[in-house]
Amino acid sequence: SQELEQSPQSLIVQEGKNLTINCTSSKTLYGLYWYKQKYGEGLIFLMMLQKGGEEKSHEKITAKLDEKKQQSSLHITASQPSHAGIYLCGAALGGGADGLTFGKGTHLIIQP
Amino acid sequence: KAGVTQTPRYLIKTRGQQVTLSCSPISGHRSVSWYQQTPGQGLQFLFEYFSETQRNKGNFPGRFSGRQFSNSRSEMNVSTLELGDSALYLCASSSPSDTQYFGPGTRLTVL
Repeated sequence: SQELEQSPQSLIVQEGKNLTINCTSSKTLYGLYWYKQKYGEGLIFLMMLQKGGEEKSHEKITAKLDEKKQQSSLHITASQPSHAGIYLCGAALGGGADGLTFGKGTHLIIQP
Repeated sequence: KAGVTQTPRYLIKTRGQQVTLSCSPISGHRSVSWYQQTPGQGLQFLFEYFSETQRNKGNFPGRFSGRQFSNSRSEMNVSTLELGDSALYLCASSSPSDTQYFGPGTRLTVL
């Protein structure tokens, strides 16, 4: 089974609507990274969450880390076409010895 | 600061050949990690180099190897290419706070 499960796998949202992407870990989370990827390109760093209960925001994107639930959520407010892409969560589940483990990603499509 | 750069961006090889990919990290970053991304397996960790030494290694066969130079630039090599090696290869350099910043990737196609 996947160590980092993302849901949903894909999401089609009308422009201007809010949305949430979830990332659930099968192991204790000591920190979590969110990245965005345009198809076939590199990953763009969005946010890093290190402490339970931590919440960070950048422009219209907010991410939270719930250590007890071993879960993180990424929330986009008033979505825009520029938000379209693949969102990936990553974590050092092996303490860094295995690099970052990533979820399979959430494909976000914004409909005008 | 310039970001992580990877060369070449695209490569087409045939089975049995070998390939070398290059990665230049962000200035001042001493750790470089390599990942393979495929539609089926997603992103998988290959290895990490720090100060010219391999610090961690993922679960890939010995055909996959790498090295790091004194200027922190890194190369990865894949020998005896197989069709299944077709993938996007991503390099990331780590900041002192361990945040990984990724390059644009090298798209390798094996025919």
